[in-house]
Amino acid sequence: GAVVSQHPSWVICKSGTSVKIECRSLDFQATTMFWYRQFPKQSLMLMATSNEGSKATYEQGVEKDKFLINHASLTLSTLTVTSAHPEDSSFYICSARINSKVNYGYTFGSGTRLTVV
Amino acid sequence: AQTVTQSQPEMSVQEAETVTLSCTYDTSESDYYLFWYKQPPSRQMILVIRQEAYKQQNATENRFSVNFQKAAKSFSLKISDSQLGDAAMYFCAYRNSGNTPLVFGKGTRLSVIA
Repeated sequence: GAVVSQHPSWVICKSGTSVKIECRSLDFQATTMFWYRQFPKQSLMLMATSNEGSKATYEQGVEKDKFLINHASLTLSTLTVTSAHPEDSSFYICSARINSKVNYGYTFGSGTRLTVV
Repeated sequence: AQTVTQSQPEMSVQEAETVTLSCTYDTSESDYYLFWYKQPPSRQMILVIRQEAYKQQNATENRFSVNFQKAAKSFSLKISDSQLGDAAMYFCAYRNSGNTPLVFGKGTRLSVIA
C-alpha cells in the first residue's frame, strides 16, 4: 500500500521546451506532496511543498516561475519545468506523507531523470 | 533550521560482517522523527528504519538497528550480517512533527565486498 506512481521515468527534451512530471498516489490521498531534486552523487534537496488546492511553497533559491507545481486533486501533483535548459538536467523525486496512525512515514515516487539537450 | 550531517562519504564492509554508518543532526525541537533511507542504483528511495525521538528504545528491523543518542543528537545505523544487496547509498533523514518535509544528510555510499 501507499504507492506513489511517478511518470515519466526518464525524459529527454530540447532546450527551451517544457516538461511535465506527474506523481499520483494510487491507494491513498496525498494532501501534501514534496518535490525534491537530486544531482548526481548528491543528496535530495527540497524544492517545494504542495498542498492540495493551494499554492505551492517554494524553497529559497527555487524559481517558482520555472518550476510550476500543481496539486489540483488529492491524488495528483505535477511539476512542470518550463523553458528547460541544460542546467535543469537532474533527477526529480516526489514524496507524499502517509497519513496513517500506523504509518507516519513518507513514500516516494520512483523518480524522473530529466536530460535537457 | 534543522541540519543532518553524515561524515562518512563512503564505507565498505565484508560480506557477513557488521558496519555502522554515522549520522548527527541539529535541532531545537523536542518532538521529531529520524529515518534511514536506502537508495540503490535504481534510485528508488527505500525506508530502512525509523525512530521517534520520544522513544528511548532503539529501533530494530531484522539486520538493521540504530543507536539513538538524543542528548548527543546522534543516530547511527548498524547493519549486521551484511549482504551484497545492502550495497547502496544510505541517507539519514530528519523531520519535525506535523506535515513537514524530510531533511536529508549528504549520504554514505556503502560497498559490500564479497
